[in-house]
Amino acid sequence: EIVLTQSPATLSLSPGERATLSCRASQSVSRYLAWYQQKPGQAPRLLIYDASKRASGIPASFSGSGSGTDFTLSISSLQPEDFAVYYCQQRSNWPLTFGGGTKVEIK
Amino acid sequence: EVQLLETGGGLVQPGGSLRLSCAASGFTFKNYDMTWVRQAPGKGLEWVAAISGYFNSTYYANSVRGRFTIFRDNSKNTLFLQMNSLRAEDTGVYYCAKDQDDYLGDWGQGTLVTVSS
Repeated sequence: EIVLTQSPATLSLSPGERATLSCRASQSVSRYLAWYQQKPGQAPRLLIYDASKRASGIPASFSGSGSGTDFTLSISSLQPEDFAVYYCQQRSNWPLTFGGGTKVEIK
Repeated sequence: EVQLLETGGGLVQPGGSLRLSCAASGFTFKNYDMTWVRQAPGKGLEWVAAISGYFNSTYYANSVRGRFTIFRDNSKNTLFLQMNSLRAEDTGVYYCAKDQDDYLGDWGQGTLVTVSS
């Protein structure tokens, strides 16, 4: 199975700052990677799919990049509602797998 | 508007069984693959099982294969997860999700399963 490793585990930033989250795959997943946001007590929400395509209703402040084994989720200017946990997920091979998550917290 | 409502969670003893349901509305259910994902308390997301829309092809995580069964009733727009031989490590919130090309575009609110004596 493909292992996804997210870093850092926790990112402490202030509102208005730029966030850069990393997801590394144990083998190539081409561009078949998604990013999800999860807030406490809520279900995850799809942000980005196919590495760089924004899901419906997702603001342009969220962007994804990468291919192969290295991927990045960027949030251009953190809003109060962006502080949450973010997960990557690959759909290149079965079983589908998720990364361990990055928590973006208020500094 | 897509709505997914999971029910059936609860407290069960180790070795016991539980059946989860996910009632779907707001889309043509039979046209979509569906997925179960779980989350242990304070932990990350774990994909559990998936089922195709038309041909009922099924896929399972190694951790549940042989113990869990995913199935669906397209006439009732409902997805199920039959869980047998439950273990403490199966404890968590179980989400059903609507599959779009193996990405999970819509999620239910989840149902909590607790396996404990």
